[in-house]
Amino acid sequence: QSALAQPASVSGSPEQSITISCTGTSSDIGPYNYVSWYQQHPGKAPQVIIYDVTNRPSGVSNRFSGSKSGNTASLTISGLQPEDEADYYCSSYTTSSTWVFGGGTKVTVL
Amino acid sequence: QLHLQESGPGVVKPSETLSLSCSVSGGSISMNGYHWGWVRQPPGKGLEWIGTIFDSGVTSYSPSLKTRVTIFVDTCRNEFSLKLSSMTAADTAVYYCTRRRGASSLRDYWGQGILVTVSS
Repeated sequence: QSALAQPASVSGSPEQSITISCTGTSSDIGPYNYVSWYQQHPGKAPQVIIYDVTNRPSGVSNRFSGSKSGNTASLTISGLQPEDEADYYCSSYTTSSTWVFGGGTKVTVL
Repeated sequence: QLHLQESGPGVVKPSETLSLSCSVSGGSISMNGYHWGWVRQPPGKGLEWIGTIFDSGVTSYSPSLKTRVTIFVDTCRNEFSLKLSSMTAADTAVYYCTRRRGASSLRDYWGQGILVTVSS
């Protein structure tokens, strides 16, 4: 199984909105609403910020939102803040009953 | 509050078998509806799913690793473990243990990670 495709980097100014795409296939993202997104700061373990495409765990800012269309999922960060500078990974369930991650996107706050 | 903590060797020789454990505190590893798994991250690279053990005891492994990997639970010690055989330099990574809620993509608890280096 191949990794989900994410842009290597995305940048934005404070208070702007940015969107990170996560492109899969009809064997992973397409058939299921089992897409999650993780934020990882340097030297730290990943933390879930979106699960099941659109759901936010308790305690996660509502500036983070998720969506899906066809084989592509997206993460939008609204009102970009300096603390949002991190790496972001998507993950999806697959038709082989396994899981796959995206290659990761580095978000830079200008 | 659940807490996961990985333990094991920091260095493994090529061709040897890696054994890691993940101690679960603040809750029972036998709770229904939760699955336990491992994810790794080579230095400077992205996350890679290794495998999962379901609350039923059934396992699922990454196709690229399944001939070398075993995940099992020790309910008495409230921990689960990973064994990865025939280690090579390509297996050098930070290994994370995780909990995922069943029928969901919510991987809500992660250990702090343990760096394993393959070197002679």
